[in-house]
Amino acid sequence: GAVVSQHPSWVICKSGTSVKIECRSLDFQATTMFWYRQFPKQSLMLMATSNEGSKATYEQGVEKDKFLINHASLTLSTLTVTSAHPEDSSFYICSATTYTEAFFGQGTRLTVV
Amino acid sequence: TQLLEQSPQFLSIQEGENLTVYCNSSSVFSSLQWYRQEPGEGPVLLVTVVTGGEVKKLKRLTFQFGDARKDSSLHITAAQPGDTGLYLCARGDAGNMLTFGGGTRLMVKP
Repeated sequence: GAVVSQHPSWVICKSGTSVKIECRSLDFQATTMFWYRQFPKQSLMLMATSNEGSKATYEQGVEKDKFLINHASLTLSTLTVTSAHPEDSSFYICSATTYTEAFFGQGTRLTVV
Repeated sequence: TQLLEQSPQFLSIQEGENLTVYCNSSSVFSSLQWYRQEPGEGPVLLVTVVTGGEVKKLKRLTFQFGDARKDSSLHITAAQPGDTGLYLCARGDAGNMLTFGGGTRLMVKP
C-alpha cells in the first residue's frame, strides 16, 4: 500500500526556536496533504490543508504565521512551527490521500521546553 | 464541536469480551471510514463503508453503516489485548479532507 513518511518522529526544542517537520509520500504523488494536531487522549484536529504549488488553507483558529506550511513538490509537504512555545507541544500528524484512502505519517511528537 | 459523535469515549474490558463502538452524525455522509491508532503512531485505515445498511467484516471486527447513512458501528468479538488502541471514525468531505470523530480509547486487559 501507499506509504507516507514523516520526519522526525520526535523532537525537543527550546522556547523561541523553530522546528520543521517533513511529510513525504513515498510511492504516490499527493497534490494535497493534510496536517493534524493531536493532544493526549484526544482525536485528530485538522490544522491545515497543504496544496502543492499554492498557499495552504488553514482551519479557523490556526495561526498561519506560526504554523508555516510549504508544499513545494508532489511528494513533500513541510510544517514549520515558528517561535515555538510550550503550549505548542503536541503530536503532529500528516496525511495524504488517494481516491479511496487516507494514509498517515507516523506522527511527530514535539516537546517545547 | 465534533461533527461526528463517537461513544463511548473510553472502554476498558477483559480479554474475550465483546464490545461495540458507535459513530453518529446529524447529517448524511457519503462514506465513512474507521481507523485504529496505536500510541505514538498515525492512524491506520480499517474499513470504508459506502452503502446504507452495508456490513463489512474484518476477522473479529464487524462494521455496519446505518440505513440512513447517518451512523455506523464497530463491533469487536472476543477482544484481545492486541485490539487496544484509539478507534476513530471519519467522514470524507470535499477535497479529500477527513473529519474525525472524537475517538474511542479501548483497553483490553489480559
